[in-house]
Amino acid sequence: NAGVTQTPKFQVLKTGQSMTLQCAQDMNHEYMSWYRQDPGMGLRLIHYSVGAGITDQGEVPNGYNVSRSTTEDFPLRLLSAAPSQTSVYFCASRQDGRGIKNIQYFGAGTRLSVL
Amino acid sequence: GQQLNQSPQSMFIQEGEDVSMNCTSSSIFNTWLWYKQDPGEGPVLLIALYKAGELTSNGRLTAQFGITRKDSFLNISASIPSDVGIYFCAGGTLRSGTYKYIFGTGTRLKVLA
Repeated sequence: NAGVTQTPKFQVLKTGQSMTLQCAQDMNHEYMSWYRQDPGMGLRLIHYSVGAGITDQGEVPNGYNVSRSTTEDFPLRLLSAAPSQTSVYFCASRQDGRGIKNIQYFGAGTRLSVL
Repeated sequence: GQQLNQSPQSMFIQEGEDVSMNCTSSSIFNTWLWYKQDPGEGPVLLIALYKAGELTSNGRLTAQFGITRKDSFLNISASIPSDVGIYFCAGGTLRSGTYKYIFGTGTRLKVLA
């Protein structure tokens, strides 16, 4: 009964460091996505994937890479962290991207600080 | 790009009072969603709306899809302390074969017992 699992929950990085935020779902969902949440702003889409091997850019993709080698996992990579990437990151999944009634489930978030 | 204006930004209310919040946009959406986010958690879907004019309830929550498809509101009746949290609206449109969602900036609700 896990749903969408994100790790780690908290992370502090120094400018220039790299890291990977992990996301896994156990609902066999085709569609997965990454959002960032900043104070005073709504959730903004970073990257998304409509299935294994297929990824695409969202609204704010710069500075982030993704890959989707399996249906279950959708990691988000920061190659060279910058203070502007300090944010709360949410992974989400839904059955597929085409169905209007497919509910989107969110993970609990990763709180990232870049010093 | 598309933007959603959500209001109010925050509100303090007494337990038992009714709450009303709304989202407006200059863009048309095919679906409106309302989420609640508790501290340290991800958003959880409360109500989904799929047709202009649709009015849907979920317990003490009622939401409506505006006739123009550019707005939506959420009402909470007889608020209780566990209603505390941040409420987000999201408008969805079909683009390049998948539904994409634009999120509002959230309404932070605090309930005074």
